Amino acid sequence: DVKVTQSSRYLVKRTGEKVFLECVQDMDHENMFWYRQDPGLGLRLIYFSYDVKMKEKGDIPEGYSVSREKKERFSLILESASTNQTSMYLCASSITPTGKYGYTFGSGTRLTVV
Amino acid sequence: GQSLEQPSEVTAVEGAIVQINCTYQTSGFYGLSWYQQHDGGAPTFLSYNALDGLEETGRFSSFLSRSDSYGYLLLQELQMKDSASYFCAAGNNRKLIWGLGTSLAVNP
Repeated sequence: DVKVTQSSRYLVKRTGEKVFLECVQDMDHENMFWYRQDPGLGLRLIYFSYDVKMKEKGDIPEGYSVSREKKERFSLILESASTNQTSMYLCASSITPTGKYGYTFGSGTRLTVV
Repeated sequence: GQSLEQPSEVTAVEGAIVQINCTYQTSGFYGLSWYQQHDGGAPTFLSYNALDGLEETGRFSSFLSRSDSYGYLLLQELQMKDSASYFCAAGNNRKLIWGLGTSLAVNP
């Protein structure tokens, strides 16, 4: 069964901490995405990557950075966590960004910044 | 800008049929996707339409009209387990543009 694995299901971090969220996929997909999901706001794209070492800003990149050193791993970094970054973070991967074969999502990381 | 509109909530009863509409405004449109998300879970892929017409997959069908920038998801023989949020998403050659989701409540 194809999988996208996010390293943590729940995280609690303090304001100002540097936070790393890890995502690994085993499908050899070139495209990977980081979203955050908040009630009533749907899925908002933070960053995406279409190849190793390549990255593009999504709709809400402020306060975040990403790293993709290997094809299977896409990391989201909160440089200095703030309370407004408390959210559900979802990683996804896909064969093509168009959606033709679907995006496969990880189970999500619920991050609380206190 | 790029946007999708879908109803925020829909309610139906077990065994009924429900249609969730989606209108989109997207440059470089490739196709329309639908995802299901249960509370606390991750979105799961349901369907993709690139061409006009109806695609059927079991109890679920999805329709697209490119000329009207419109699509819908049709759920038949509703079951309690279909209670979830449903998202439409329009794809271009870089990413998906997501609607805000429709919360479907199926009542006995």
